[in-house]
Amino acid sequence: GESVGLHLPTLSVQEGDNSIINCAYSNSASDYFIWYKQESGKGPQFIIDIRSNMDKRQGQRVTVLLNKTVKHLSLQIAATQPGDSAVYFCAENLNNNNDMRFGAGTRLTVKP
Amino acid sequence: GAVVSQHPSWVICKSGTSVKIECRSLDFQATTMFWYRQFPKQSLMLMATSNEGSKATYEQGVEKDKFLINHASLTLSTLTVTSAHPEDSSFYICSAPTSGHTQYFGPGTRLTVL
Repeated sequence: GESVGLHLPTLSVQEGDNSIINCAYSNSASDYFIWYKQESGKGPQFIIDIRSNMDKRQGQRVTVLLNKTVKHLSLQIAATQPGDSAVYFCAENLNNNNDMRFGAGTRLTVKP
Repeated sequence: GAVVSQHPSWVICKSGTSVKIECRSLDFQATTMFWYRQFPKQSLMLMATSNEGSKATYEQGVEKDKFLINHASLTLSTLTVTSAHPEDSSFYICSAPTSGHTQYFGPGTRLTVL
């Protein structure tokens, strides 16, 4: 895998609203995608994944959408809570191996 | 999900000393593990790929003699920061992929070099 060190874009939402975090991936051949959540001072935590044969997958309060035509991935969080405040980043997997590539990440801030 | 641990969770050391960080996959085996560093408010930066039974693969710009990696077993990789300096202060995170290629991350190690 590889990643790029960049200053993170931010998204601020009101508690109770829905959040949408977007990610553009790089390789049209990628067949597996993961969203991670990273809280301050902690390691990234697996949230949800999706394979390229699907365009939508739902979890508990989270939904991932995959648009292969434009190489776009999004994470929707329903009824956003203060505990959802974190950095979220997407990862793409190439050729079903361990070569994961990570997006720059988005910092989500939930206002009470 | 799979569990990856790191030890220590934080360490403070004097400039010039060496620090070892351990990464363990607790409930699965990993022939490959990854080491990242992360500066405040930035994304993860891959440093190297740790390979069980062979040499680590380092990313461009990462000094292999400074960041020694040893993949001692299918559940343990270690990163040693040699002759640490204040600019090495960072958050170091490891990850390990399961057989399904999902990578699980450790909780990270905060290194502060005085």
